[in-house]
Parts: sequence; structure tokens; C-alpha cells
Amino acid sequence: EPEVTQTPSHQVTQMGQEVILRCVPISNHLYFYWYRQILGQKVEFLVSFYNNEISEKSEIFDDQFSVERPDGSNFTLKIRSTKLEDSAMYFCASSPDGYSGNTIYFGEGSWLTVV
Amino acid sequence: AQSVAQPEDQVNVAEGNPLTVKCTYSVSGNPYLFWYVQYPNRGLQFLLKYITGDNLVKGSYGFEAEFNKSQTSFHLKKPSALVSDSALYFCAVRGAINTDKLIFGTGTRLQVFP
Repeated sequence: EPEVTQTPSHQVTQMGQEVILRCVPISNHLYFYWYRQILGQKVEFLVSFYNNEISEKSEIFDDQFSVERPDGSNFTLKIRSTKLEDSAMYFCASSPDGYSGNTIYFGEGSWLTVV
Repeated sequence: AQSVAQPEDQVNVAEGNPLTVKCTYSVSGNPYLFWYVQYPNRGLQFLLKYITGDNLVKGSYGFEAEFNKSQTSFHLKKPSALVSDSALYFCAVRGAINTDKLIFGTGTRLQVFP
């Protein structure tokens, strides 16, 4: 069964450093997402991406965040200058298209620890 | 505004007994409702969803959920719990109108005891 894959599974970074989290969405999917889950809290939407541009973003997704699809398979989340409060599990996800009834498939997550 | 409530932080059930994990929602328009499960140190796995049609939806691993429009609920059920069902369960809603966002509840930890 096709899967969303994410790398790295765990990254430790110093405050103020840039981090790039990588994802390979399911191959025939057109919509891509990033969500995050701070330890012990609920899963929160960050951003959706379609046709090489941001489709929707949350208030969490401020100027220090950016997303990119650098080639035909990868989808990345960049955090420009990490803060302690960015420590969380970041989930990449994809869906076939923008229809709200489509299932969104999630990767295993990238656990980011900012020290 | 869309929201999801999971009123129970934890549900404990003995193996072999039926289980229910509760979820209520608030959304403008018709809701699209989802259940996901998260095993320790793993990602979110899709279990089932309600889009339209039959109010009882069947999903993976023997789970089912009942959509109740009047009570705005979408409770997850299983007739006979297994110890391996122990995990964190998330209910999520997506409004049908012009949004990509999936809104998650706070999660319910299911503990099935042998």
C-alpha cells in the first residue's frame, strides 16, 4: 500500500538554527499538508499545498515557516530560525485532490527537538 | 468555526468487551468525519470516515462508527476489544465548504486490559 514517507524520523537542533523536514507524498496525490503535534496536545493543521502554491495556512504558519516542492516527488517544510516552542512531531500528509471527503494519509512523523 | 470534542481523555475496557470512544463535532454545513489511530511513536493511521449515506460506517480492524446528525456525534465502536487496540484515537472533522483543514479532537487513550 502506498505510504507517505518522512525524513528524518528524529532531529535535534539548537535554537535559532534552520531545519528542513522532508516528505515524499503518495505518488498520484495532488494535495500536500503539514500538521504538527506538540507533546501531549492535539494535532494541528499548519499548511496545505496544491499546484506549487500554498492553498491554505493556519495562524501558526508564520514567516519563519515555508514549504516547497523542489522536484516531482519531495515536499519540504523549512523552519527558518527554530524556537524552543517549535519542538513537536511534524506530520506530512497527502490526499488525491481537494475534495473534502477524501482521506488524508499521514506519514510516520518527524520528531523535532529544539534545545 | 469547526471544532471537535472528545470528552474522555482515557477509556479503559476489558478484552472481549465492547468499546466506545466518544466524539462530538461542530461544523458549518455537512460534516466529513474521520477517525485516526496513533500507536506509540507512530504516525496517524486512518480508520474510517463518514461522508454521506448510511449512518453506520465500517472501517479497519473491526472498528465502526455511527454518525448521528441530531446529536452531532460520531462515536467509534468495536463489539469486542483486543489488547492490541490499545492506542490513542483521534476524531477529526472537515467542513465541506472551502477548507483544506482537518480539525482534530484532543484524542482519547484507549487501554484494553487482558
